[in-house]
Amino acid sequence: QKEVEQNSGPLSVPEGAIASLNCTYSDRVSQSFFWYRQYSGKSPELIMSIYSNGDKEDGRFTAQLNKASQYVSLLIRDSQPSDSATYLCAVRDFYNQGGKLIFGQGTELSVKP
Amino acid sequence: GAGVSQSPRYKVAKRGQDVALRCDPISGHVSLFWYQQALGQGPEFLTYFQNEAQLDKSGLPSDRFFAERPEGSVSTLKIQRTQQEDSAVYLCASSLVGAEYLDIQYFGAGTRLSVL
Repeated sequence: QKEVEQNSGPLSVPEGAIASLNCTYSDRVSQSFFWYRQYSGKSPELIMSIYSNGDKEDGRFTAQLNKASQYVSLLIRDSQPSDSATYLCAVRDFYNQGGKLIFGQGTELSVKP
Repeated sequence: GAGVSQSPRYKVAKRGQDVALRCDPISGHVSLFWYQQALGQGPEFLTYFQNEAQLDKSGLPSDRFFAERPEGSVSTLKIQRTQQEDSAVYLCASSLVGAEYLDIQYFGAGTRLSVL
């Protein structure tokens, strides 16, 4: 059973702080990793995709991937109240014909003004 | 162009009723996925289409669930004889290609199904 694990939270950080969200996955051959943000009652929205070991930065967001440790993280710098949402880590199933995504349960982030 | 569109947004069904959920993917997207999201959980894969062909239905929880995409565009997820455990948000996603590792899945807003 391929798994993606996240802490469910809630993770609470003050406005302006760095929020760190973590995710581990079980399938060593996985190549594609995604972070989606989901506001309550809304659709998952892609924040970051990462495919190679190391860091990938986009504005206030940085994704970090360590394939040896089977670990992917998302850092949010200068957190804003509007960042309050559930963050879903997803891994593409390498062996699946269509490339279905396997999701973690999501981490709820709360940014306090 | 427009994103992935799903309808209805909310559906209340009495136990035993049949329901049909519609997904209109992004124009030109070959691949279409259905996921089920229970409250407080991440989405779980149900089924996958490449154009009109249903290539993977391994995630469908029972034979009461049926999906189709007859013309390779709009898809319908049908649930027969609904049960309370079917209550969830049903998400549709589409992507340009599907199997290519760089491919991105774009999600619709989902249909929230409540079975009473």
